[in-house]
Amino acid sequence: DADVTQTPRNRITKTGKRIMLECSQTKGHDRMYWYRQDPGLGLRLIYYSFDVKDINKGEISDGYSVSRQAQAKFSLSLESAIPNQTALYFCATSDPKQGASYGYTFGSGTRLTVV
Amino acid sequence: GQSLEQPSEVTAVEGAIVQINCTYQTSGFYGLSWYQQHDGGAPTFLSYNALDGLEETGRFSSFLSRSDSYGYLLLQELQMKDSASYFCAVDTGRRALTFGSGTRLQVQP
Repeated sequence: DADVTQTPRNRITKTGKRIMLECSQTKGHDRMYWYRQDPGLGLRLIYYSFDVKDINKGEISDGYSVSRQAQAKFSLSLESAIPNQTALYFCATSDPKQGASYGYTFGSGTRLTVV
Repeated sequence: GQSLEQPSEVTAVEGAIVQINCTYQTSGFYGLSWYQQHDGGAPTFLSYNALDGLEETGRFSSFLSRSDSYGYLLLQELQMKDSASYFCAVDTGRRALTFGSGTRLQVQP
């Protein structure tokens, strides 16, 4: 099994629909992140969570919400999807004891298309 | 806020050496990371520099100059499999990493 699993891998949804992207990790890390990737724009931070009770907005949180159901699970929701939310979404995790020095582990990504 | 600049594309030939630069502006700085991403894949961690100087890991090396707010990734003995996008990312110690927009490296035979 992968260390970080994202579901679904691909999703097409209609404008105005609510959609949830799920992420689970088996690394036992406290910190989890959601990033969005658009061509030419790199990875932009949507939300991050340093533990189950600590959730923080990133630079592009408008239109998104998250839920940290357990240490291992961090879900991203689009309350009312719009076409400019079409993107590749990545979940990641890291070990707070090691910070960035040992790197983030990313999931395989969810490709979301809003039509 | 934070901002990072890196070239959008670099082309090199197999066996050569290539350097991908990254300049950054941040309020607070702990370190600079590098990630590799193949088309259709997830980013994978390559290196982290917290102190000035060169860190070497096999064919890849990463350099940091904190006084110049500058770093680079050096790839030696290029192989076709090195064709990928490379991202620098700053760690401010307060929140999540902020990534640059990425450099697409094309290795030609």
